[in-house]
Order: sequence, then C-alpha cells, then structure tokens
Amino acid sequence: QKEVEQNSGPLSVPEGAIASLNCTYSDRGSQSFFWYRQYSGKSPELIMSIYSNGDKEDGRFTAQLNKASQYVSLLIRDSQPSDSATYLCATSDETGTASKLTFGTGTRLQVTL
Amino acid sequence: GAVVSQHPSRVICKSGTSVKIECRSLDFQATTMFWYRQFPKQSLMLMATSNEGSKATYEQGVEKDKFLINHASLTLSTLTVTSAHPEDSSFYICSARDRGGGYSGANVLTFGAGSRLTVL
Repeated sequence: QKEVEQNSGPLSVPEGAIASLNCTYSDRGSQSFFWYRQYSGKSPELIMSIYSNGDKEDGRFTAQLNKASQYVSLLIRDSQPSDSATYLCATSDETGTASKLTFGTGTRLQVTL
Repeated sequence: GAVVSQHPSRVICKSGTSVKIECRSLDFQATTMFWYRQFPKQSLMLMATSNEGSKATYEQGVEKDKFLINHASLTLSTLTVTSAHPEDSSFYICSARDRGGGYSGANVLTFGAGSRLTVL
C-alpha cells in the first residue's frame, strides 16, 4: 500500500522565519510530487510540484526532492501569518499527465506574530 | 486559470436519503475526474476515478452501489451518496484534469471547493 508520511504538527514558527515541512513516501515508483495548502474547511490549492531530484524555487517557496531517500520537503521563507494552514504532501506514480494522487495527512503550520 | 465548480458546498440530510454532488469544469474539458473524501483531521482519500463516457473505477473498500458516479459529459461529473448514513458525513472534493493533460502544465489537477455533507 502506498503511504505518504508527514508529521501532523502543529509546526509553530515566528513571522519572518523559515518554515520547513517534511514528507516521506513509501512507493519507489512515485514520479511526481506535490505540495498543497489547505485552509480549514476549504479544498487544497497547489503550491509546488517537483519531478526531479534537487531544489525547485518559486517565490518564497522551495521544494526539495531526494528520490534515493524517498524524501520531499517544502521550505517557506519569510513566513507570514497568512501561511498558517495545513500543508499536504502528495505523490503520483505517473508523469506527463495529471493522475490520481496519494496524499499525506498534512502538517499544520502556525505562523505566530 | 482552470476552474472547477462544485456544489452544493454544504448539505444536511436525513439518514436514508440520497444526496447528489455536482462537479463542473468551467473553462476546460475534463476527461478524468477524481472524487476524494476527507474526514476531520485526516487526509484526502481517493474514492474513485471517473472517465467521461465510461464506468468509474472505485478504490478498494469504496462501495460502488452506495457512491454512484456519473461522468456523462466532458464538463460534468456527479457523485450520488445513496441511502446516506451518519458515517457518510464527510467533506467530499472533486478534482479534474483536462484533455490536454493539465491546464497550467503537466501533472496539475484542479480541485473543486468541496462539499460538506452532514447526515443526521
């Protein structure tokens, strides 16, 4: 059974700090990796996608992937109170086209003033 | 960008009744839609994959006769929870991928806003 593991948190960071969110996955066949942000009672919204080993940066967000270690992380620089949400890590075993995702249980991030 | 409209956003029903949830892709054609369920403080669990014009593929443990999925057109998929019971109370979310493989790039799904079902 495919599993995606995340620490449920809450992860508390002060405003302006770097938040580091981690995720491990069990399926070595996973090809695509995603980070979604979900506010309470709302649907997930895509933050980052990453397909190759290494880092991918987009604004304040950096995704890191290490397929050998089956590990993917998300760094949020200059954290803002509006970043407070649950961050879901998701994997897919397909590339090239969007497919069904396996989600982790999410890490709740709290950015404090 | 791609938009998926899902409604109703909230529905409360009595035990034993059926509830239909609609998911529409507004500005793209969705060949495939995915239906997820999320219980409080848990992650999204895939229930089924629906392809336009064919029968849905259900994940293990999901009763296909209880959760009826219809994907009759490239822009509309519906999930009907039949004979709902309190344990079916959950947040149901659809997501869609377009015929081109992703509206804003490969491997991107667009999610609906979700439907919160409460069965009394």
